[in-house]
Amino acid sequence: AQKITQTQPGMFVQEKEAVTLDCTYDTSDQSYGLFWYKQPSSGEMIFLIYQGSYDEQNATEGRYSLNFQKARKSANLVISASQLGDSAMYFCAMGDGYKLSFGAGTTVTVRA
Amino acid sequence: EPEVTQTPSHQVTQMGQEVILRCVPISNHLYFYWYRQILGQKVEFLVSFYNNEISEKSEIFDDQFSVERPDGSNFTLKIRSTKLEDSAMYFCASDSGGLETQYFGPGTRLLVL
Repeated sequence: AQKITQTQPGMFVQEKEAVTLDCTYDTSDQSYGLFWYKQPSSGEMIFLIYQGSYDEQNATEGRYSLNFQKARKSANLVISASQLGDSAMYFCAMGDGYKLSFGAGTTVTVRA
Repeated sequence: EPEVTQTPSHQVTQMGQEVILRCVPISNHLYFYWYRQILGQKVEFLVSFYNNEISEKSEIFDDQFSVERPDGSNFTLKIRSTKLEDSAMYFCASDSGGLETQYFGPGTRLLVL
């Protein structure tokens, strides 16, 4: 069984600063994917970034980067140059090819 | 850009009634999923569906739930006899298989009274 842990229930960040959201996971699978989704107050789930378990380079997508440390089973999301529109809930998820297992989420509030 | 769509966006029903939630996955995707999110809680997997069969289901997906692909575009979740605890946001998602990214629809917010 997969388990995703996000230990930060909420974070505040100043506009234009970077923020790191923590995610650790536990699995016995050799092949898996790690995902981050953003959920604004409107409720939809927006895909941000993906990292495969065999990918040696950390994934980047614009202002989002994933700090993947396989030995430590962590997949932290870094948001650079935070914007007011980044205020949302952020979920880390792991995929095993059949389903996604989600963490509890981290609420990010960006201050002007 | 292709997207997953869901209808209705909101549904209110009485306890014990049947509801059908509808989804149109991305057209070239082969794998379809339902998830739910009770207010303020994390997203939970319900069921995955491929080639007209359930691939995997969670403990939540009991006999009161069923899924169907009635035609080439729609994917539905039926709850036969709703309970108060079924009140949640229900998300449909789709992908092209393997460890590919699952894209989510906007969700249906179900309220059972």
